[in-house]
Amino acid sequence: NAGVMQNPRHLVRRRGQEARLRCSPMKGHSHVYWYRQLPEEGLKFMVYLQKENIIDESGMPKERFSAEFPKEGPSILRIQQVVRGDSAAYFCASSRGRDNEQFFGPGTRLTVL
Amino acid sequence: QKEVEQNSGPLSVPEGAIASLNCTYSDRGSQSFFWYRQYSGKSPELIMSIYSNGDKEDGRFTAQLNKASQYVSLLIRDSQPSDSATYLCAVNTYNNNDMRFGAGTRLTVKP
Repeated sequence: NAGVMQNPRHLVRRRGQEARLRCSPMKGHSHVYWYRQLPEEGLKFMVYLQKENIIDESGMPKERFSAEFPKEGPSILRIQQVVRGDSAAYFCASSRGRDNEQFFGPGTRLTVL
Repeated sequence: QKEVEQNSGPLSVPEGAIASLNCTYSDRGSQSFFWYRQYSGKSPELIMSIYSNGDKEDGRFTAQLNKASQYVSLLIRDSQPSDSATYLCAVNTYNNNDMRFGAGTRLTVKP
């Protein structure tokens, strides 16, 4: 009964490099959500995807950030030219449908040096 | 006004007491309500969902929903030190594609 999987769990990048975060949803789930959490702060919605479609990216910065959920394989959150302010925990969640409970993965802790 | 507001906390209760966590939301069209628990350094864990007015009980947890007052709460009976965590209220509406989270209430249960 595998839950939501994310990798890597920890990622260190230098300023200007690219970060790729992966998320595999729970079996039977086709809805994926990405959230960012800064230390001592709440969860901030970034993007909501279904297979091959971005449904809502209103929470994602317009530049440097992109997300995809291809027909085959995990969802990817990509951050280009990372800056120190991108350091945060990035959580992926999945659900069976839009109004169903979301289940979270363990998160990826991104540190930008 | 924030879309989902929670007690700023921190909330401290003695072991065995009832912990009461409150949440208000601004969108009257909200339909689905969730409580998550998040331990420090860990990911949020779903503990309760509630969709209709009234109470919903699951073990030591009771969620209460009042849509007219736009209010949802979580009661934890017989609180244990292991309940010490941040509790996140989350609200979903048909108008939004995303779940809106409150900032969380940090609960400490003292032995």
